[in-house]
Amino acid sequence: GIQVEQSPPDLILQEGANSTLRCNFSDSVNNLQWFHQNPWGQLINLFYIPSGTKQNGRLSATTVATERYSLLYISSSQTTDSGVYFCAVGAGGTSYGKLTFGQGTILTVHP
Amino acid sequence: DGGITQSPKYLFRKEGQNVTLSCEQNLNHDAMYWYRQDPGQGLRLIYYSQIVNDFQKGDIAEGYSVSREKKESFPLTVTSAQKNPTAFYLCASSKDRVGKNTIYFGEGSWLTVV
Repeated sequence: GIQVEQSPPDLILQEGANSTLRCNFSDSVNNLQWFHQNPWGQLINLFYIPSGTKQNGRLSATTVATERYSLLYISSSQTTDSGVYFCAVGAGGTSYGKLTFGQGTILTVHP
Repeated sequence: DGGITQSPKYLFRKEGQNVTLSCEQNLNHDAMYWYRQDPGQGLRLIYYSQIVNDFQKGDIAEGYSVSREKKESFPLTVTSAQKNPTAFYLCASSKDRVGKNTIYFGEGSWLTVV
């Protein structure tokens, strides 16, 4: 099956700093999503981005499907950005509807 | 409010007992999913259903069972055959069956087996 690798595994920032999280995947995808998991376990959708670039406030994401990677940018980080960020991908064919998750990046933002 | 409701939030069971986790959605989504998350790990797919009365095994289906008798409901039973059932269980849904839409998650259920 498709493999998903996220880096870095851990990231510690001071409030106000910028960061880039990376997601590499091993095969063509028709679905790629970024999620933020808060300390209570809730998974929040950040972006649905199988290709191209999107922005939402301080967050933006870029997926280069031909090179099999996606980047999540967090600017002017805040303590509320802390948590785990997951990249999840889905492939076509018999894998319709299935998402494969990376291991996540644990982000800690200090005041 | 529209969304995905999982219950119970916390559940304790004795080893050897079956337990059923509820998942209901009022988003009119066709597809529903069950994922398992272990501490410090990503999510792994247990079962998914793309249409009523049909479901497929995910990557870790052994020891679990599901049903999809109604579009809005997708309950998960953790059976006594599941060797390590203690985990965080997340239900999700998406609008269509082809996997090209955003997937939304419920708040999860914490299952502890003692």
